[in-house]
Amino acid sequence: QVQLVQSGAEVKKPGASVKVSCKASGYSFTDYFIHWVRQAPGQGLVWMGQINPSSDFSNYAQNVQGRLTVTRDTSTTTVYMELSSLRSEDTAVYYCARDGKHYGDSDFWGQGTLVTVSA
Amino acid sequence: QSALTQPPSASGSPGQSVTISCTGTSSDVGSYNYVSWYQQYPGKAPKLMIYEVNKRPSGVPDRFSGSKSANTASLTVSGLQAEDEADYYCNSYAGNGNYVFGTGTKVTVL
Repeated sequence: QVQLVQSGAEVKKPGASVKVSCKASGYSFTDYFIHWVRQAPGQGLVWMGQINPSSDFSNYAQNVQGRLTVTRDTSTTTVYMELSSLRSEDTAVYYCARDGKHYGDSDFWGQGTLVTVSA
Repeated sequence: QSALTQPPSASGSPGQSVTISCTGTSSDVGSYNYVSWYQQYPGKAPKLMIYEVNKRPSGVPDRFSGSKSANTASLTVSGLQAEDEADYYCNSYAGNGNYVFGTGTKVTVL
């Protein structure tokens, strides 16, 4: 069965970086894009970026451009999301989600990773 | 890219229908038939309910339906049930590999 399993919660200081992993299983890893979505406490969903695991090409939302890097490791079927220059406003639950090939139909989601940015 | 606009809340009694709007621009909702809708319970990951404006994934009840007119997409939940009480988010493709979510709507079953 399709599964996306994310790494555990993180606590970081302002200005630091965080790297969250998303291990995919149960399907052909290079056949489906992976999105990253975040949700600040009590707030809505925000799309951050996506990666094509086959080509390694990524694109990012304007509001995190320059701070966000999404990469993948095909040998371990894992996608990574690294966010740098962290601010308190980056405190959120970060989700990875598989795109079902219909432009934005994320059919499987990770369990979410809470990243807390605090001095 | 600004978030798509949704009403903060919507409500209905069991058995009634509720419709949630999702207003974007000619650069996102108005340009592509790639609007999806997600249901989210507190503390849980979102669940896909509708994709490509009006298609339902396997397992989603046919009480959920989607439509689109110009720059506004809509999700209708017919025959409301207690379990439909949740937050709902629209999402649209915005070109050049970018996507945008709506602001979210809390649906309450009275």
